[in-house]
Amino acid sequence: AQTVTQSQPEMSVQEAETVTLSCTYDTSESDYYLFWYKQPPSRQMILVIRQEAYKQQNATENRFSVNFQKAAKSFSLKISDSQLGDAAMYFCAYRSNAGGTSYGKLTFGQGTILTVHP
Amino acid sequence: DTGVSQNPRHKITKRGQNVTFRCDPISEHNRLYWYRQTLGQGPEFLTYFQNEAQLEKSRLLSDRFSAERPKGSFSTLEIQRTEQGDSAMYLCASSRGTRLNEQYFGPGTRLTVT
Repeated sequence: AQTVTQSQPEMSVQEAETVTLSCTYDTSESDYYLFWYKQPPSRQMILVIRQEAYKQQNATENRFSVNFQKAAKSFSLKISDSQLGDAAMYFCAYRSNAGGTSYGKLTFGQGTILTVHP
Repeated sequence: DTGVSQNPRHKITKRGQNVTFRCDPISEHNRLYWYRQTLGQGPEFLTYFQNEAQLEKSRLLSDRFSAERPKGSFSTLEIQRTEQGDSAMYLCASSRGTRLNEQYFGPGTRLTVT
C-alpha cells in the first residue's frame, strides 16, 4: 500500500518570503500522480499543483512550484512571494494510475499548517 | 459548473442514531468519492463510485456505513447506530473519467456524535 508522509506539522513564513513544505511517499509503482491540496480554515479543499511521475520537469503554477525527486520519493512544494491568503492546511496526496477498481482514490499525508505573518 | 455540494453542512446527533448525508457532484462527472477527515489529519478514502456502481470500499467502512449512488447522480452516505468515533468531517469529491481524473471537493459535512 502507498503511504504519504508530511513531517512538518506546522510551518510559518513572513509575507513576501518563500517557504518550502516537505512530502515523502512510498510506492512500488512507476505510474502515478502527486498533488498538493490547500484547505483554508472552514473552506473546501482545492488543488494547488500536480505532478505526473513520468514527467521529469517540475510543475509550476504561478507562485507555486514543486521539487519532484522520483528516486528519492520526495515531492516538496515551494511557495514564493507568500501572501496572507496562502495561510491554510496543505496536504500532499498520491494517486496511482494503475488500472482496476482502485483507480482514482487519493492517499493523503497528515497535512502541514502554514501560517503567514504580515 | 456549480461545484460539488454537500448537505447538511453540520450534523449533531446522539450516539445510536442513524444519519444520512447527501453529495451532489458536478453534473458531468461520472466518478464520486467519499473521504473521512478527523481533526488535524488528512482525509482517508472511504468509497468510490463510477456512475452507479460502487467499485471499492475501504476497510474503514464498517457494516454500519452504507453508500449509494442511484442513477449515477447524487450520492448518499448513511451511518447507522452512530458512535462517538464517527465524529469527523465527511468529504465528497467528484471527477471525470480521464487519466488526470482531477477531483473536485465539496465543503464537507461535519458530524458530531454526542
